[in-house]
Amino acid sequence: DAMVIQNPRYQVTQFGKPVTLSCSQTLNHNVMYWYQQKSSQAPKLLFHYYDKDFNNEADTPDNFQSRRPNTSFCFLDIRSPGLGDAAMYLCATSRRLAGNEQFFGPGTRLTVL
Amino acid sequence: AQSVTQLGSHVSVSEGALVLLRCNYSSSVPPYLFWYVQYPNQGLQLLLKYTTGATLVKGINGFEAEFKKSETSFHLTKPSAHMSDAAEYFCAVSDRNFNKFYFGSGTKLNVKP
Repeated sequence: DAMVIQNPRYQVTQFGKPVTLSCSQTLNHNVMYWYQQKSSQAPKLLFHYYDKDFNNEADTPDNFQSRRPNTSFCFLDIRSPGLGDAAMYLCATSRRLAGNEQFFGPGTRLTVL
Repeated sequence: AQSVTQLGSHVSVSEGALVLLRCNYSSSVPPYLFWYVQYPNQGLQLLLKYTTGATLVKGINGFEAEFKKSETSFHLTKPSAHMSDAAEYFCAVSDRNFNKFYFGSGTKLNVKP
């Protein structure tokens, strides 16, 4: 089945230690999104890629970076995780045109010690 | 920017009772509308969406929603709740230019035996 895969499902890191989260898709969608979701809150969009074009949300901290080496893969890098960055990180994909659903991966739960 | 309001962060119903989860959006131009469900420690799964056409939309697991332009609403209903419906539900809208989602704050549905 076509899907969105996130690895790892659970990640523990230390305060200030860089961490990379991975997302891959078999849907061949143009757009890939990264969301941060804290407990009992709505997903918050961090940034998205339309093909290779990177689009950062205005309020996304500089500590968060992303790479998309090809259509299938996208990475979220947190350069210096703080305690406030502990959250669920969701990857999603869609076709570009408005009205298309976003397909979500299962998420990576990040713990910062 | 769009905004989405979900009235009631927690809703509790008895098994077999009607489920009604409310969603209102703010936009002068009707957006595209979505309902997603999220089970603990999982990603979001699409229940249904409205883009054009019939305003009553049927989705998976017996859920449906009705788009009411005059009320700027897209409430989610299910005639008879099942224990497996216990989850968190998110309403989302995207504007008609690009597939960027704006999520409501979510409603946790509890189903009592």
